[in-house]
Amino acid sequence: DSGVTQTPKHLITATGQRVTLRCSPRSGDLSVYWYQQSLDQGLQFLIQYYNGEERAKGNILERFSAQQFPDLHSELNLSSLELGDSALYFCASSHPGTSGSRTDTQYFGPGTRLTVL
Amino acid sequence: AQSVSQHNHHVILSEAASLELGCNYSYGGTVNLFWYVQYPGQHLQLLLKYFSGDPLVKGIKGFEAEFIKSKFSFNLRKPSVQWSDTAEYFCALANYGGSQGNLIFGKGTKLSVKP
Repeated sequence: DSGVTQTPKHLITATGQRVTLRCSPRSGDLSVYWYQQSLDQGLQFLIQYYNGEERAKGNILERFSAQQFPDLHSELNLSSLELGDSALYFCASSHPGTSGSRTDTQYFGPGTRLTVL
Repeated sequence: AQSVSQHNHHVILSEAASLELGCNYSYGGTVNLFWYVQYPGQHLQLLLKYFSGDPLVKGIKGFEAEFIKSKFSFNLRKPSVQWSDTAEYFCALANYGGSQGNLIFGKGTKLSVKP
């Protein structure tokens, strides 16, 4: 158990719908990262938040958005869902070390498996 | 752009065989490298990491990796695999773009160990 929790574990929805995935980081971790894992694209970075502020964006579609709340949990919102959005969505958290965020170890949650029908 | 390549898509070994999984990265500067493992149906777990210093890094469960700067490689090794090592293994590079700290992953290598 990494200490990172994600809900729900599974989500099945239809095309065109909107869903929200939730992530609670490890206690004390300020950074939250969202990754998408699909068969064709592998593990791709979506977006990073640090202490409530967006820090970096990766290959995140405009239909997707995220936020990090004052209690440091984060939500990933996926809208106008398409079949190709079916994937595993992982959240990871890290605590900034003295060397900065790039040397921090990221701890991953169990993921949310999204199936779009 | 930074990238990570794992050339072996699927490796099949018998128990007690030695393992070496290849990982090559592209980035000319200082690198931070990681190996993660994903057991079936589970989340990614950190096996080991390289930040600086001794290029031979020891991780959990008997795994080790060697950072060879001249070859841009960070191969994962284990002298004797067990059936329980069946999993997917991901090599990752920390992104050095701006203030980012996200990981750039390879496509992964699926390891199947036959009992």
